[in-house]
Amino acid sequence: DAGVIQSPRHEVTEMGQEVTLRCKPISGHDYLFWYRQTMMRGLELLIYFNNNVPIDDSGMPEDRFSAKMPNASFSTLKIQPSEPRDSAVYFCASSGLAGSEQFFGPGTRLTVL
Amino acid sequence: SQQGEEDPQALSIQEGENATMNCSYKTSINNLQWYRQNSGRGLVHLILIRSNEREKHSGRLRVTLDTSKKSSSLLITASRAADTASYFCAPVGSSNTGKLIFGQGTTLQVKP
Repeated sequence: DAGVIQSPRHEVTEMGQEVTLRCKPISGHDYLFWYRQTMMRGLELLIYFNNNVPIDDSGMPEDRFSAKMPNASFSTLKIQPSEPRDSAVYFCASSGLAGSEQFFGPGTRLTVL
Repeated sequence: SQQGEEDPQALSIQEGENATMNCSYKTSINNLQWYRQNSGRGLVHLILIRSNEREKHSGRLRVTLDTSKKSSSLLITASRAADTASYFCAPVGSSNTGKLIFGQGTTLQVKP
């Protein structure tokens, strides 16, 4: 298996633009997680899905952020409109069982100018 | 929510020395996991220890768990420069929702 795949790896955009981050979890994994990492706030859980259903989105910072999982092999995290304070590394992770080890993707480094 | 707190925040040692980092948490757990993050990379799972286990080994890693003290430790023996990374613990609460909450981590520097 190729592991968790994220795209793009780097994204530079201007304030106000829409940003879409993509994730392909490991095949057969029922859980998918979106995290954001900054120096100031560390690694924050934004939202996670079980069997394509959002379970906990309490970490989503505000309405500008939305996440979807239309099928078991694809998820998106969208920011609209983007702001400079959204600049961070966004990680996607997946796991097979509740509370089992999580496999992280390489991350998307987002810079909003 | 269940979050681990790592201590120390930073650790600097010489190659060949042992490195010990600690994790404390607040509520009962199902298991506790340790992860490593190299600079610019995603987290990598190192080891999982269940609540009914006291010690676990994996190569040069040794993890202990004391549920009465709500603490865990990660020992890396005979450290190498390649062990330079941030290390995070993630306790999984007994309700086991699947969610992991990561702390700030311990940044380990191993000098050659």
